[in-house]
Amino acid sequence: DAGVTQSPTHLIKTRGQQVTLRCSPKSGHDTVSWYQQALGQGPQFIFQYYEEEERQRGNFPDRFSGHQFPNYSSELNVNALLLGDSALYLCASSLTDEKLFFGSGTQLSVL
Amino acid sequence: SQQGEEDPQALSIQEGENATMNCSYKTSINNLQWYRQNSGRGLVHLILIRSNEREKHSGRLRVTLDTSKKSSSLLITASRAADTASYFCATDEDNDMRFGAGTRLTVKP
Repeated sequence: DAGVTQSPTHLIKTRGQQVTLRCSPKSGHDTVSWYQQALGQGPQFIFQYYEEEERQRGNFPDRFSGHQFPNYSSELNVNALLLGDSALYLCASSLTDEKLFFGSGTQLSVL
Repeated sequence: SQQGEEDPQALSIQEGENATMNCSYKTSINNLQWYRQNSGRGLVHLILIRSNEREKHSGRLRVTLDTSKKSSSLLITASRAADTASYFCATDEDNDMRFGAGTRLTVKP
């Protein structure tokens, strides 16, 4: 039984570009949450998807958008990248709104 | 926005000693969870304590919750070098989990 998988593991982009990160949840999980973690900080909640709809959103600008597919996998899109978007992006899946299972993350560097 | 705040920010102990980390939060909660993170990769769930529970154990982990003080503590007994990691508390807020800034624990062999 595969856990949460994220791709790619590392990504380098330049300012102004757009990026798409992907996440496959743990088998049987229907809820996907995305977090941004800057170096030395805790994960910051971006948004959560359930039944293909954005259910909750953290304090992130509209440049951050997402999608959930019928198979529960999810994408995080970031437009007009800024240097400050450099961070580890974590995807977590859950079956209820309790215990989260995390992927290993995508390290995004914006130059 | 972050809900939980851990204290201390960093903790260094010798192998075999106990490590205690504290977490304070701001709003009412249904549950509080502790997670561990090695080397900036994915977080791993350690333990969940519900708002009507005061103490919970899991192996060498002991978690307490004081809802009147809006605080929790994580105790790791008989620490090992492999316990070296960052530890985060997380609280439920509007159907999603919010994390603190974490405590960086270093266990010296």
